[in-house]
Amino acid sequence: DGGITQSPKYLFRKEGQNVTLSCEQNLNHDAMYWYRQDPGQGLRLIYYSQIVNDFQKGDIAEGYSVSREKKESFPLTVTSAQKNPTAFYLCASSNTHKDEQYFGPGTRLTVT
Amino acid sequence: AQSVSQHNHHVILSEAASLELGCNYSYGGTVNLFWYVQYPGQHLQLLLKYFSGDPLVKGIKGFEAEFIKSKFSFNLRKPSVQWSDTAEYFCAVNMDSNYQLIWGAGTKLIIKP
Repeated sequence: DGGITQSPKYLFRKEGQNVTLSCEQNLNHDAMYWYRQDPGQGLRLIYYSQIVNDFQKGDIAEGYSVSREKKESFPLTVTSAQKNPTAFYLCASSNTHKDEQYFGPGTRLTVT
Repeated sequence: AQSVSQHNHHVILSEAASLELGCNYSYGGTVNLFWYVQYPGQHLQLLLKYFSGDPLVKGIKGFEAEFIKSKFSFNLRKPSVQWSDTAEYFCAVNMDSNYQLIWGAGTKLIIKP
């Protein structure tokens, strides 16, 4: 089955620790995206990547970092600099910028 | 700034009622328009999309949306809702073929059986 996998589904961390969220796709899509979803705010773009070894900041990139070393993979690191990291994180991919985005199941991160 | 507005944050309807969810965007150029749905415990998935052509587009599960360029709107409709339509609905707009989608805040729809 083609799709996007995110792991883990739930993640708990102590404040001050960096944490990396996994996102893998087997759809052969060029573009990948990371969003943060908070209640009542819709989806906000953290980072996106159009091709391997290239990525751009979205609207709320501060405190986050990404890499795109392989077409299939786009991991997101939530650093200790992110002031409010507890959230639901969604990864998506699309074939081109005009096409629909396909979403993974999400990772719910709780930082205490 | 470019933005997308969904005016209803929560909607409660009875089964068989008609549904219309509003979506307006602020941009005068070329747009691609999407409605996504998030059923409880499931992935976000595409309901329907508009790129060009007939402004009335049909999607999955009996949903349709109409693009009215003069009103900068892309409202979602369904003539008769079912309990299984309970979900959160998001409007998203791609403006001038940017990679970024601009998302509305979402509308939580609850259908009473």
